[in-house]
Amino acid sequence: NAGVMQNPRHLVRRRGQEARLRCSPVKGHSHVYWYRQLPEEGLKFMVYLQKENIIDESGMPKERFSAEFPKEGPSILRIQQVVRGDSAAYFCASSPTPQGGDSPLHFGNGTRLTVT
Amino acid sequence: AQSVTQLDSQVPVFEEAPVELRCNYSSSVSVYLFWYVQYPNQGLQLLLKYLSGSTLVKGINGFEAEFNKSQTSFHLRKPSVHISDTAEYFCAVSRTGGGNKLTFGTGTQLKVEL
Repeated sequence: NAGVMQNPRHLVRRRGQEARLRCSPVKGHSHVYWYRQLPEEGLKFMVYLQKENIIDESGMPKERFSAEFPKEGPSILRIQQVVRGDSAAYFCASSPTPQGGDSPLHFGNGTRLTVT
Repeated sequence: AQSVTQLDSQVPVFEEAPVELRCNYSSSVSVYLFWYVQYPNQGLQLLLKYLSGSTLVKGINGFEAEFNKSQTSFHLRKPSVHISDTAEYFCAVSRTGGGNKLTFGTGTQLKVEL
């Protein structure tokens, strides 16, 4: 079984461009989470989505960031008009249920975004 | 809200020596506790978790952790480390019944030397 697939692995964008990060969850998982890891820091929760619904976006910056998880296809994290401070590793994770604990998260290998 | 403190940013240790990575948490509600390992340029892999029951939890790769409620700690231990254990280790908590919204510590880089 394939795990969580993220692409691209590395993404370089100039300031002001848009970044689109893709995440395909584990087959059968309908719950997707996005986390951001800034240099020298732990992962910070950004957003939790189910198919076609945003459940919790309390960790998303108010502007320029958006996420979706359509009925068909991967989850997308979109960053508009990127700035240098957006440079980070972005991790997607999935789970089969919304409950924590017994069904912990499966993480992808991340997308490392560099803004020049 | 929950918070996690990993006081040691780096822990160097010789191969076959024991190691302890410290984790303390703060929460006003009951929590689940986790340790994840991250190898270079990879995602996080679950090492072990505490949900309830026995406070001593055994995980993969010979790691174990002990939940201490009075000290709000969840330290990770291994009696004898190997070179392949070199990685970043993250402690995390989630509110029980709070789904998979995890709060992570800042990580501890374990460097195993010959």
